Amino acid sequence: NAGVTQTPKFQVLKTGQSMTLQCAQDMNHEYMSWYRQDPGMGLRLIHYSVGAGITDQGEVPNGYNVSRSTTEDFPLRLLSAAPSQTSVYFCASSDSGLWGYTFGSGTRLTVV
Amino acid sequence: QQQVKQSPQSLIVQKGGISIINCAYENTAFDYFPWYQQFPGKGPALLIAIRPDVSEKKEGRFTISFNKSAKQFSLHIMDSQPGDSATYFCAAPHGNDMRFGAGTRLTVKP
Repeated sequence: NAGVTQTPKFQVLKTGQSMTLQCAQDMNHEYMSWYRQDPGMGLRLIHYSVGAGITDQGEVPNGYNVSRSTTEDFPLRLLSAAPSQTSVYFCASSDSGLWGYTFGSGTRLTVV
Repeated sequence: QQQVKQSPQSLIVQKGGISIINCAYENTAFDYFPWYQQFPGKGPALLIAIRPDVSEKKEGRFTISFNKSAKQFSLHIMDSQPGDSATYFCAAPHGNDMRFGAGTRLTVKP
């Protein structure tokens, strides 16, 4: 099993550009979420989804959009990138809400 | 704001020693407290978790201790090994999602 797959692994954007971080899981998990990891800040929740068609905001949702059209995929969109969005982004999934997240390997994003 | 306070930020332990990482949380709707381990360049991976109908859970060299009245829980790593060097995150439920501590970077010296 591939588990949780994130693409790309690395990305450099210019301020104001848009992009989509991809996340796909093959475990038929209902619950998926996006976190960003910054030094000294730990993992902060951006958005999460409890199933296809259902999304909600986390701690730091501003500047990010999500949608969940299928169980497998949960893309994260940056509409107008800002240097403050420079971070490592992790996607996670779980088959039963909060128990035992499986994380992807991350996307390192730099906005210049 | 951080709902889960984790300490210390970094920890250096000699091989064979005991590593202790602490977390304090605010109110939660239910009790489930996991610890995640992260190696450089990798995503966090579930290490051990407790549903505190018990005050302690042990898996090999890793033990979670839980104090519900104090709203605190801790990770103990016995006989710490250089391969345990990683960043450790505690987490606690927050409504429909999970909130994480800021992380502890553990270095085990040979």
